[in-house]
Amino acid sequence: EDKVVQSPLSLVVHEGDTVTLNCSYEVTNFRSLLWYKQEKKAPTFLFMLTSSGIEKKSGRLSSILDKKELFSILNITATQTGDSAVYLCAVEASTSGTYKYIFGTGTRLKVLA
Amino acid sequence: EAQVTQNPRYLITVTGKKLTVTCSQNMNHEYMSWYRQDPGLGLRQIYYSMNVEVTDKGDVPEGYKVSRKEKRNFPLILESPSPNQTSLYFCASKREGGANVLTFGAGSRLTVL
Repeated sequence: EDKVVQSPLSLVVHEGDTVTLNCSYEVTNFRSLLWYKQEKKAPTFLFMLTSSGIEKKSGRLSSILDKKELFSILNITATQTGDSAVYLCAVEASTSGTYKYIFGTGTRLKVLA
Repeated sequence: EAQVTQNPRYLITVTGKKLTVTCSQNMNHEYMSWYRQDPGLGLRQIYYSMNVEVTDKGDVPEGYKVSRKEKRNFPLILESPSPNQTSLYFCASKREGGANVLTFGAGSRLTVL
């Protein structure tokens, strides 16, 4: 059965700290891995990763994928209170011309001022 | 503005009273899907559609129906809602092919008494 596991489940840090969120997966017919940020509403897209070892970066956020070890990490440096959210990892898998997304349960990050 | 629109955003209903949650996207996306989000379980796919008149079951389809008569609309139908369908529902869409990602609607919080 396809699964995506995120760790830790929750995290509390202080502003300025650096955090690393983990996502491991066991998915047949992997196509891509995506990170989303969810703040009490719809998930918003952060990164899409398809190739191993290539870091994606956007401001203080970065992410990398390891297709051999089947995991990805999301790093947030110099955290701010606005980074408080649930971070979701999803894997896109394809089978016979169709595809689906398998989501992890998320990591709840709280950044204290 | 490119978006996925869901209605209603909030609904309280009673067991057995049929309801429909509408989903419409204005981005000409081929792929649409429905998810439910429950605490500790993350986002789980209910149904998805690769294109008009093409729908398929996700991981938790029991108790739900969908239809895709037009490209822009993908309603979720609960024929006889039960309390275990109390959840937060998200519709999402995606353009076929390439580095395209799921875009989510704002969510519909459904309570079945």
